[in-house]
Amino acid sequence: KNEVEQSPQNLTAQEGEFITINCSYSVGISALHWLQQHPGGGIVSLFMLSSGKKKHGRLIATINIQEKHSSLHITASHPRDSAVYICAVNPSNYQLIWGAGTKLIIKP
Amino acid sequence: NAGVTQTPKFRILKIGQSMTLQCAQDMNHNYMYWYRQDPGMGLKLIYYSVGAGITDKGEVPNGYNVSRSTTEDFPLRLELAAPSQTSVYFCASSLDGFSYGYTFGSGTRLTVV
Repeated sequence: KNEVEQSPQNLTAQEGEFITINCSYSVGISALHWLQQHPGGGIVSLFMLSSGKKKHGRLIATINIQEKHSSLHITASHPRDSAVYICAVNPSNYQLIWGAGTKLIIKP
Repeated sequence: NAGVTQTPKFRILKIGQSMTLQCAQDMNHNYMYWYRQDPGMGLKLIYYSVGAGITDKGEVPNGYNVSRSTTEDFPLRLELAAPSQTSVYFCASSLDGFSYGYTFGSGTRLTVV
């Protein structure tokens, strides 16, 4: 079993829909990261969480440390949100454990 | 700020050739990382560094070497290139590896033929 599990693996939705991507992990962590990889390949860090909730524009990330679970939400989704969304966690040794990613396609 | 700068963006190597992928950051980050991403797969850590003069192996270090003589630069050396090293390589940096997010370079697409 992978230490970081994301669901769903693939998600196709219509423009305007509310999107939720989930991440569960099985190790103790100091932080959880959500990243976005665009079709062109570039990787952008969206959020780093150690507790609670963060919001940036239409993106919201939450984490429940007790349940070892995090969610990434996108409100009013748009075709430009189409990308691979990756969850990664920091255990205590400065490295990241990566989820496999969720491929999101938003259709106009 | 330029952030993390990787060069080259693309390269084709013949089997057995060597090359160095360059990575530089101007954010005074202590932690730097090299990842590879094979088609359709997630990132795998090759090497990382927690400061100048300190490097350590990640999950897939074989066939690669690194050095960190300055805070800014973290080059990745491929010796005796093999087709299995065909991949996209990303360099990343972080201030302390824990409390701050990661900044990624734009990637180097390497093909070994």
